[in-house]
Amino acid sequence: AQKITQTQPGMFVQEKEAVTLDCTYDTSDQSYGLFWYKQPSSGEMIFLIYQGSYDEQNATEGRYSLNFQKARKSANLVISASQLGDSAMYFCAMRERRFDSGNTPLVFGKGTRLSVIA
Amino acid sequence: DTGVSQDPRHKITKRGQNVTFRCDPISEHNRLYWYRQTLGQGPEFLTYFQNEAQLEKSRLLSDRFSAERPKGSFSTLEIQRTEQGDSAMYLCASSSRTSGGPVSYEQYFGPGTRLTVT
Repeated sequence: AQKITQTQPGMFVQEKEAVTLDCTYDTSDQSYGLFWYKQPSSGEMIFLIYQGSYDEQNATEGRYSLNFQKARKSANLVISASQLGDSAMYFCAMRERRFDSGNTPLVFGKGTRLSVIA
Repeated sequence: DTGVSQDPRHKITKRGQNVTFRCDPISEHNRLYWYRQTLGQGPEFLTYFQNEAQLEKSRLLSDRFSAERPKGSFSTLEIQRTEQGDSAMYLCASSSRTSGGPVSYEQYFGPGTRLTVT
């Protein structure tokens, strides 16, 4: 079964600085997808970025980029130019493919709480 | 732009009572997922549907939990004889099955229903 590990319970970053949130994963699948979601205090999960296992380039989406190292099974999220509004919980997730080949449920890590300091 | 909606947003109930939550997915999405999130944890998958068919329900936490999506549109999650351990955030998400590129795998989450069992 897939497993996601996020080893940083909390992180602090100065406003306008970059920060890296760590994520490692475990899967026996050759084809898989990795996601990062943001959860502000309001509770809603907001999709940030996706990386497919066969994507040759690291995914980028605005200030978010994914440092994908397939051999190390890591998919770290990099947030550049941090803003106060980035303060939230961040979850790494993977599609749980064994149910079917389509858009399957997600397996989440425990999350990292990011606090941006002015 | 109507996203995923959930009702109610908050529910306080006494132990032993039954509760029912509703989720309205994005209208063109045929897949619907239920997750549970306890304090300090990432969301945990419970069950999911494609149209009205329930594709997986073995992850429902006990036989007190049931879900349905009778017409392939909205879904309900029912918990019978609630226990204090059922206190959590219940999240609903929707997606299209699969089409096009990686963004099609994105799951859109609702704001959640926070259940407190006293």
